[in-house]
Amino acid sequence: GAVVSQHPSWVICKSGTSVKIECRSLDFQATTMFWYRQFPKQSLMLMATSNEGSKATYEQGVEKDKFLINHASLTLSTLTVTSAHPEDSSFYICSAPTKGRPQGYEQYFGPGTRLTVT
Amino acid sequence: RKEVEQDPGPFNVPEGATVAFNCTYSNSASQSFFWYRQDCRKEPKLLMSVYSSGNEDGRFTAQLNRASQYISLLIRDSKLSDSATYLCVVKAGNMLTFGGGTRLMVKP
Repeated sequence: GAVVSQHPSWVICKSGTSVKIECRSLDFQATTMFWYRQFPKQSLMLMATSNEGSKATYEQGVEKDKFLINHASLTLSTLTVTSAHPEDSSFYICSAPTKGRPQGYEQYFGPGTRLTVT
Repeated sequence: RKEVEQDPGPFNVPEGATVAFNCTYSNSASQSFFWYRQDCRKEPKLLMSVYSSGNEDGRFTAQLNRASQYISLLIRDSKLSDSATYLCVVKAGNMLTFGGGTRLMVKP
């Protein structure tokens, strides 16, 4: 079964509004979560690393004031797209690492949130 | 230059064919390597890890050449259900870097 959930799975909003996306780890604690964005026919691009109890770390070119990340607890991280514009329309996916097999930490991906800004 | 490079394809192959994908990475400090599969509008799912000694999982064989910073995936006896995008993924520390993906279409 799923080990990372995301909500909502699909959202349409008007330009200028804000949208909050939740990422939850199920049955395990995640002090770190990752937020990715995927545009059509492109690969996943890491946006930011969400850290429980401290500020998120943003990748170069990602505006921290536009994409607000809050790691509220050991099982929940939220991404808020503020003042969304059509160019923010994308597939947003979170992941959480957990201890895995000999190769090290496994990453579990949420099912993704498809955001469409009209 | 991208950190992880893949041929985007698409690779169009008939059922039963053998197909190989390649991937190169630039970060020599990379520690772990994976192939993920992503279906349209879905999240990536781990297909297999890649070990230096090479490893096989059913019809899938992965190889890693650290000296050349090169990873490969071989799929034998392709099935229709293998149609997807295959992502080469490299891990350094706790972070994953994804290649652009190679699209495979298996046709009857």
